[in-house]
Amino acid sequence: GQQVMQIPQYQHVQEGEDFTTYCNSSTTLSNIQWYKQRPGGHPVFLIQLVKSGEVKKQKRLTFQFGEAKKNSSLHITATQTTDVGTYFCAGLLDSNYQLIWGAGTKLIIKP
Amino acid sequence: DVKVTQSSRYLVKRTGEKVFLECVQDMDHENMFWYRQDPGLGLRLIYFSYDVKMKEKGDIPEGYSVSREKKERFSLILESASTNQTSMYLCASSLDPGLVDETQYFGPGTRLLVL
Repeated sequence: GQQVMQIPQYQHVQEGEDFTTYCNSSTTLSNIQWYKQRPGGHPVFLIQLVKSGEVKKQKRLTFQFGEAKKNSSLHITATQTTDVGTYFCAGLLDSNYQLIWGAGTKLIIKP
Repeated sequence: DVKVTQSSRYLVKRTGEKVFLECVQDMDHENMFWYRQDPGLGLRLIYFSYDVKMKEKGDIPEGYSVSREKKERFSLILESASTNQTSMYLCASSLDPGLVDETQYFGPGTRLLVL
């Protein structure tokens, strides 16, 4: 079936280093959404990308949607301890408007 | 703000028990969802509903059923709980089927332990 592959599963960084997570879909997406889940919390919506090639920024976070609307990335510049958590992408399928979730990338800040 | 509430934060049940997890949203959302979340597997969709009395199977419906008698309430039922159903269960809602924006709003989750 349709899948959204998200990599890496985990990423350990030193505070101040950058972090990137990638999502790839086997089919074209209507939009892609990004969520953050803090340890012990529930997913919280961050942003939605709709247009081909779209780039959006939220402070140190940069979100991109690929030209073919099949892939997306989230990049965090100069990570801080408050960035710790798991980042999920979720793609809305063009065909049936079903939301397909990536497995998430857990960001761990090394002390 | 959208509020999605779940009946319990933590639940401990025995194998074979019937378990009800309740979810209520207060924003008149059409869509409601039940997921389970397990380490390394992300969010997996169990069932969803686009309307009252309407339900659709997600990716892993086996061992579960759902009920949506009222628009604001979506219940997940484990007919006979098993240890492999120990998990975090998350309910979510979104506004309207067919819209390009399908942002989902999540409840706090129910951590279920089946002994």
